[in-house]
Amino acid sequence: GENVEQHPSTLSVQEGDSAVIKCTYSDSASNYFPWYKQELGKRPQLIIDIRSNVGEKKDQRIAVTLNKTAKHFSLHITETQPEDSAVYFCAALYNQAGTALIFGKGTTLSVSS
Amino acid sequence: DGGITQSPKYLFRKEGQNVTLSCEQNLNHDAMYWYRQDPGQGLRLIYYSQIVNDFQKGDIAEGYSVSREKKESFPLTVTSAQKNPTAFYLCASSINREDTQYFGPGTRLTVL
Repeated sequence: GENVEQHPSTLSVQEGDSAVIKCTYSDSASNYFPWYKQELGKRPQLIIDIRSNVGEKKDQRIAVTLNKTAKHFSLHITETQPEDSAVYFCAALYNQAGTALIFGKGTTLSVSS
Repeated sequence: DGGITQSPKYLFRKEGQNVTLSCEQNLNHDAMYWYRQDPGQGLRLIYYSQIVNDFQKGDIAEGYSVSREKKESFPLTVTSAQKNPTAFYLCASSINREDTQYFGPGTRLTVL
């Protein structure tokens, strides 16, 4: 069935470094790819998303890239700060009526100062 | 985010009991979702509804039931058939299936 693989499961960086999280999806017809950030004990919140007609999208220190041929998309965080420490989830929406988002298992990002 | 609420925040259940988790939204969203979150497992879809009086099973629907009698409400019942119900439950809503999902604050269910 449809699947979203997310790597790495944990990521530790020094403050100011960049962080990259990668996800792959199985259905080439997928057309919507959001990223969520979940701080400890809180609800997931959308930080950026991209649709299949776009290759890259940026929002300040955060960017998402999409490679439809390879069926993978990545989250890039530059100049990381301690407040970026959280669990990040990618997701993919399969282009089939009646289906819902499929989430990756999450990446725990730790930014040390 | 303030437009979607869940109650209670914490819930304790004895084995063999059914419990119902509440989810309400005032965002006028058509679609609503229930997820279960366990450590290291990400967000697993239990049930979702794209319109009133209609819902579909997700990946882990066994032992759960839902109803969607009103647009703004999507309650989840955890039945005694769910063998390992201790988890964090998240409700979400979106304008439609292709739009951003907004999450509620969650309910943490513990079986005693």
